[in-house]
Amino acid sequence: AQSVTQPDIHITVSEGASLELRCNYSYGATPYLFWYVQSPGQGLQLLLKYFSGDTLVQGIKGFEAEFKRSQSSFNLRKPSVHWSDAAEYFCAVRGNEKLTFGTGTRLTIIP
Amino acid sequence: GAVVSQHPSWVICKSGTSVKIECRSLDFQATTMFWYRQFPKQSLMLMATSNEGSKATYEQGVEKDKFLINHASLTLSTLTVTSAHPEDSSFYICSVRGSRDTQYFGPGTRLTVL
Repeated sequence: AQSVTQPDIHITVSEGASLELRCNYSYGATPYLFWYVQSPGQGLQLLLKYFSGDTLVQGIKGFEAEFKRSQSSFNLRKPSVHWSDAAEYFCAVRGNEKLTFGTGTRLTIIP
Repeated sequence: GAVVSQHPSWVICKSGTSVKIECRSLDFQATTMFWYRQFPKQSLMLMATSNEGSKATYEQGVEKDKFLINHASLTLSTLTVTSAHPEDSSFYICSVRGSRDTQYFGPGTRLTVL
């Protein structure tokens, strides 16, 4: 069975600083990996996804993620965060036609 | 990606009543939709997979008689919480499986059972 670990429950970053959110997955085959963002009281918005090919994927809102098979990781990055990036971020792996989510990382932005 | 709506966005009901939540795929014909449940400050837990024209597939531990799912058309799936109790209070989110196996999520429905 697949699983996802997001080691950081809560991260605080200054506006304009760089960001990296960690995600480790467990899946026997080549994974389909996703990052979603959720604002309070809202559904999930897809930021980016990795299926195959280039291991560095670009997403919306200036986010990117890098797939590292050797480390079973799919970390999310952004070079300069904006106050509007404050939200909950979920990493997910698709296996057996189902999405399995990590527990999420809450991002707080300070001025 | 697919645009997904849910109705209502929030609902308050008395214990023992039933509540129906609608999930609509506005621009995509969805043969498969998913229903998730999210408790405060927690992740999403898959409840069931809804397939158009057939019975839903429920995850282990989810009571199919309590959470009735109907996927009568390619654009609409409904989740009915029957005889709701306070422990059913939660945030319910649906998603549509779009192209390339990517799921697109609705805005969610917050259910509060008094």
